[in-house]
Amino acid sequence: DARVTQTPRDKVTEMGQEVTMRCQPILGHNTVFWYRQTMMQGLELLAYFRNRAPLDDSGMPKDRFSAEMPDATLATLKIQPSEPRDSAVYFCASGLDAGQLTGELFFGEGSRLTVL
Amino acid sequence: KQEVTQIPAALSVPEGENLVLNCSFTDSAIYNLQWFRQDPGKGLTSLLLIQSSQREQTSGRLNASLDKSSGRSTLYIAASQPGDSATYLCAVSLLGGADGLTFGKGTHLIIQP
Repeated sequence: DARVTQTPRDKVTEMGQEVTMRCQPILGHNTVFWYRQTMMQGLELLAYFRNRAPLDDSGMPKDRFSAEMPDATLATLKIQPSEPRDSAVYFCASGLDAGQLTGELFFGEGSRLTVL
Repeated sequence: KQEVTQIPAALSVPEGENLVLNCSFTDSAIYNLQWFRQDPGKGLTSLLLIQSSQREQTSGRLNASLDKSSGRSTLYIAASQPGDSATYLCAVSLLGGADGLTFGKGTHLIIQP
């Protein structure tokens, strides 16, 4: 059963601490997206990769957020230092690009982050 | 910038009713539109994907239509059941590039037993 796997499912941390979230995309997919979901803003795109290359991270606060894809089976989203306003659910999604266009996306279960 | 709006924000109906959820988008140059379901504390489950060249897609009791020129899509749920209670999200991808999906804020649906 192919699915996107995210860890951790839940994370509670204190302000100033480093947080790393991990995502294993579906095997064979060539695009990976990171989204953040809050009650106020809904789902916001943070960053995405195609064939492991970062394409757009304009949605991320650059001073504290970083996204990487060290290999085809792992994508990471790091926050350092974390702040209470970063509290949200972070979703990873993967898919197959149709040429240069976004095809169907499949989402993980999310990582719920609480920064105290 | 693409904006996606979903109406209503919340809906509560008795079991067995047929219902329609609405989605509108401002930029009609879309590549596809996806409807998702999200249960509390869970991820997003893809329900239906409509390519821009298509008018509708069906899966079981669900039917999604797309009118690209008017920037609208509807999700029709037939014979609703309590298990259909969830948040339904509409999302579009643009022709301009593979820059992911732009989401609406969802319709929170409650089906009363």
